[in-house]
Amino acid sequence: AQSVTQLDSHVSVSEGTPVLLRCNYSSSYSPSLFWYVQHPNKGLQLLLKYTSAATLVKGINGFEAEFKKSETSFHLTKPSAHMSDAAEYFCVVTSLNNDMRFGAGTRLTVKP
Amino acid sequence: GAVVSQHPSWVICKSGTSVKIECRSLDFQATTMFWYRQFPKQSLMLMATSNEGSKATYEQGVEKDKFLINHASLTLSTLTVTSAHPEDSSFYICSALAGTGSWDEQFFGPGTRLTVL
Repeated sequence: AQSVTQLDSHVSVSEGTPVLLRCNYSSSYSPSLFWYVQHPNKGLQLLLKYTSAATLVKGINGFEAEFKKSETSFHLTKPSAHMSDAAEYFCVVTSLNNDMRFGAGTRLTVKP
Repeated sequence: GAVVSQHPSWVICKSGTSVKIECRSLDFQATTMFWYRQFPKQSLMLMATSNEGSKATYEQGVEKDKFLINHASLTLSTLTVTSAHPEDSSFYICSALAGTGSWDEQFFGPGTRLTVL
């Protein structure tokens, strides 16, 4: 069975500083991994996805994530946080039948 | 890009009544749709997988007689919460898998907030 663990329920950074949101996965197969963002009262938005191509994946809004098989990790990073990045972030793994398993989420707070 | 809509966006109902939530893929056909439930400040939990023209597949612990899913067309899946109770109050989100079958082309609706009084 596939699952993901988001290691931090809440991350707080200052505007302009780097962002690191951690995610570890467990999968019986070669996984496909995603990061989604959910702003208050809005739908889920796909930030980026890993599908067994390049291990460093670049997404929207300056986010990127690196797939590390040896560490079973797929951490999300951004060099410089912006106030608009404040939201809930979900790490997701997809199983063979396409259903998605979501992590518990990490709430990102950006301080001015 | 692909758009998935949900209707209504929010609903308030009395305990014991039934509520229907619609999920539509607006510009693509979806043979498979998923229904999720999200409690406040928690993650999404998959409730069921809805396949067009066949019975939905429910996750363990989800009552199929309480959460009725119908996927009668390639663009519409409905979730009916029957005999709703306050504990059913939640945020329900659907997603649709693009018709190509590529498993990474899953698009999410904006969600429906259900409050049962």
